[in-house]
Amino acid sequence: ETAVFQTPNYHVTQVGNEVSFNCKQTLGHDTMYWYKQDSKKLLKIMFSYNNKQLIVNETVPRRFSPQSSDKAHLNLRIKSVEPEDSAVYLCASSLGAEQFFGPGTRLTVL
Amino acid sequence: GQQVQQSPASLVLQEGENAELQCNFSSTATQLQWFYQSPGGSLVSLLSNPSGTKHTGRLTSTTVTKERRSSLHISSSQTTDSGTYLCAIEMSNYNVLYFGSGTKLTVEP
Repeated sequence: ETAVFQTPNYHVTQVGNEVSFNCKQTLGHDTMYWYKQDSKKLLKIMFSYNNKQLIVNETVPRRFSPQSSDKAHLNLRIKSVEPEDSAVYLCASSLGAEQFFGPGTRLTVL
Repeated sequence: GQQVQQSPASLVLQEGENAELQCNFSSTATQLQWFYQSPGGSLVSLLSNPSGTKHTGRLTSTTVTKERRSSLHISSSQTTDSGTYLCAIEMSNYNVLYFGSGTKLTVEP
């Protein structure tokens, strides 16, 4: 099956903890992305990686860092979570113009 | 301000009726995509349509690039069409999408 896969589906943690989310795509795409969807359902770009190189960083807090081992994987690490980090994090990939999304990881920070 | 505006914010239809969703954007778009997000949250690409008219199944999208607007027409709506429809554009060569806040569609039996 070719798609965008994300783990975990859900994660509940406490303020100050470190979390890491995984994303893998089997579509053979060159570019991967992380988006954040807040409680108002607005989707915003966080990072874009093209063939392991960061090409866009939409001024997210420094506690967020993307990590890529190869062009099929793009993980997201949050060093010390804050309450406002509670959201759904969506991973996507693209080869040309069209983007394909994973199912998302819902983070709840207590 | 927000670069992508969608209207209406919500829409309630009876099954069988048609829906017309609007997307207006403030900058030149190199790409435009319509997505469907189910109540469970998964995001599915419906149409990629930076200009002109495209059809797939019961969906028709028309984008008028110079007027910075796009529409999504859903014909003969079904209860399973219920969910949120999102419009997103790319404004540069970085392939980054900027999303509108969506139209929440409810189709009643």
